[in-house]
Amino acid sequence: DAGVIQSPRHEVTEMGQEVTLRCKPISGHNSLFWYRQTMMRGLELLIYFNNNVPIDDSGMPEDRFSAKMPNASFSTLKIQPSEPRDSAVYFCASSLAAGGLFGNEQFFGPGTRLTVL
Amino acid sequence: SQQGEEDPQALSIQEGENATMNCSYKTSINNLQWYRQNSGRGLVHLILIRSNEREKHSGRLRVTLDTSKKSSSLLITASRAADTASYFCATDASDDKIIFGKGTRLHILP
Repeated sequence: DAGVIQSPRHEVTEMGQEVTLRCKPISGHNSLFWYRQTMMRGLELLIYFNNNVPIDDSGMPEDRFSAKMPNASFSTLKIQPSEPRDSAVYFCASSLAAGGLFGNEQFFGPGTRLTVL
Repeated sequence: SQQGEEDPQALSIQEGENATMNCSYKTSINNLQWYRQNSGRGLVHLILIRSNEREKHSGRLRVTLDTSKKSSSLLITASRAADTASYFCATDASDDKIIFGKGTRLHILP
C-alpha cells in the first residue's frame, strides 16, 4: 500500500484565496483525521470522520475551515478565505478503528505545508 | 500543564546511550500512544499502551504507564543516529478526544 497520500505537498497562496488540501487514506481504513501542526500550538486535531461521516469538528478553528469526505477514498480540507495565521503543516491520518476511534494506530500522510502571504 | 505534555522539550545524548522521555497528562485515559516525527515528515506510530497495562516493549523501545501519577515514559535503549527525531505522546481521553503533546526533540550525537 502507498500509505496516506496528501496533495499538494507545498502550497503558497495569498491572503484571501481559497485553499483546498486533499487526502487519500489507506484502503480499508474507516477513520480519517485532519490535523494542523505549528510551532506555537503543536499538533491539533481539526476534524475526524468515521465511515465517511464527520464525527467531531470542534477543533476546526473558524467557519472559514470546512472538510468533506465524499467517499471512503478521498477527503478535502478547504480554507476560504485563507489568512496568514493559517500557515502551518496540515496532516491527514487514517486508521482502522475498532473498539473506539482513538484506540488504534494512526497512519499519517507526509503533510501539506501551507504558507499564506 | 496541558494534557499530554512531554518532558524534556529537547534532549541531546551520545550515540549508544539510553534516552528517556516523559509524558504527563491531566484527565483519565483509555490509552496512550507514542509517535515519532522525523524532520519534514509525518508522524509514525511507535507503541500503544492501554490504561490497564503498566509496561510494554517493542524492540529497543520500552514504555511505562503510571495511571496513579498520570504519566508515561518512553525509553530508547542503545540509541542510534537514526533515532534523531521528535517524539510525541498522544492521549485518548475518556471524553473521546485525542490530544498530542508538543513533543520532545531528541538529538543523537555521533
